[in-house]
Amino acid sequence: ETGVTQTPRHLVMGMTNKKSLKCEQHLGHNAMYWYKQSAKKPLELMFVYSLEERVENNSVPSRFSPECPNSSHLFLHLHTLQPEDSALYLCASSQGIDNQPQHFGDGTRLSIL
Amino acid sequence: ILNVEQSPQSLHVQEGDSTNFTCSFPSSNFYALHWYRWETAKSPEALFVMTLNGDEKKKGRISATLNTKEGYSYLYIKGSQPEDSATYLCAFSSGTYKYIFGTGTRLKVLA
Repeated sequence: ETGVTQTPRHLVMGMTNKKSLKCEQHLGHNAMYWYKQSAKKPLELMFVYSLEERVENNSVPSRFSPECPNSSHLFLHLHTLQPEDSALYLCASSQGIDNQPQHFGDGTRLSIL
Repeated sequence: ILNVEQSPQSLHVQEGDSTNFTCSFPSSNFYALHWYRWETAKSPEALFVMTLNGDEKKKGRISATLNTKEGYSYLYIKGSQPEDSATYLCAFSSGTYKYIFGTGTRLKVLA
């Protein structure tokens, strides 16, 4: 039990579909993150939320739209994705930013047909 | 472009051997260096967060050192066990909400 839960674990979608990834943290943290892990590439930071406010958008295409309704929940809304968006998407949380360890969920494995 | 490099990419060691690997990062704008362990089919697990030059941290048989002036950190595992098999990731933080991860060192400990 990592304290960070991601759903779904696996998702297959067509390029014209709209879907959402969900992340929930039970650790009382005030920062949440979305990462992308593509094959043979390092973990790539996508978005950072601190106190429910987006503080970093790492040049992510607009077809990825994050939402943080409260400090415990984080969503990643997906629409009109491309095949190169197939990857493992990881959510993480931390208490504070930069010098605090992050706690990761198990990830959502996304496949775009 | 900020780059974080880890070496070696992978290694196999025998049970009981000690091993170490390297994380190289930019020596300017340093704020923190994170180490994570990522076992197959699990989520990454935080090992250390290091912020001070010369810092040394230890957790059981695993320890890490930090040299911010020359931009490197070493991770040591003493007496490797099969359960240490995992990918070890480092991440550099410049303190501006930016984390840059290395590609990791994949460790396999043979029984």
